[in-house]
Amino acid sequence: ELKVEQNPLFLSMQEGKNYTIYCNYSTTSDRLYWYRQDPGKSLESLFVLLSNGAVKQEGRLMASLDTKARLSTLHITAAVHDLSATYFCAVASDSNYQLIWGAGTKLIIKP
Amino acid sequence: SQTIHQWPATLVQPVGSPLSLECTVEGTSNPNLYWYRQAAGRGLQLLFYSVGIGQISSEVPQNLSASRPQDRQFILSSKKLLLSDSGFYLCAWSRPGAGLYNEQFFGPGTRLTVL
Repeated sequence: ELKVEQNPLFLSMQEGKNYTIYCNYSTTSDRLYWYRQDPGKSLESLFVLLSNGAVKQEGRLMASLDTKARLSTLHITAAVHDLSATYFCAVASDSNYQLIWGAGTKLIIKP
Repeated sequence: SQTIHQWPATLVQPVGSPLSLECTVEGTSNPNLYWYRQAAGRGLQLLFYSVGIGQISSEVPQNLSASRPQDRQFILSSKKLLLSDSGFYLCAWSRPGAGLYNEQFFGPGTRLTVL
């Protein structure tokens, strides 16, 4: 069974701290996506990772992909309240050519 | 540039009533189209996808159906709503090509409450 596991599922942290969200997957894949969802809103694309070793950064967020370990990370540096949201990873499966979604990580950043 | 629209934005319907949600995409041709449902505080559940006009694939058996009458129009329907149909319905599109694993772009969503 194809699985995408995110952890943690819930994270409450202080402003100014660093933290990492993990996305593990069980299928072979060389592309992975990160999305952000604000409460009550739709999903917004954050990062597209298309190869092993890919690293993308925007502001305080940095995403990376290790296809050998079947792992992607979303690192938050010096968190600010505006980054509070739910973050989803989605893995493109080589076996059935579909996106497999993680359950999402709800991130709350306290002042 | 491409845009995706969904309507209505919010809907409150009684149990047993019919449903029709509409999604349209502008600025692209022959997109792959998707319907997702998200229960409160939960992840995404893929309901249907379509790679072309009249081509619908169902991922989850239920009382919902989908249709694609035009290239950039995707409709989600039900003849009789259940309480369990409540949720946030999201339409998405991706560029055509091999498979369905291209980046997906989401519409603003429809929040459905069934009473």
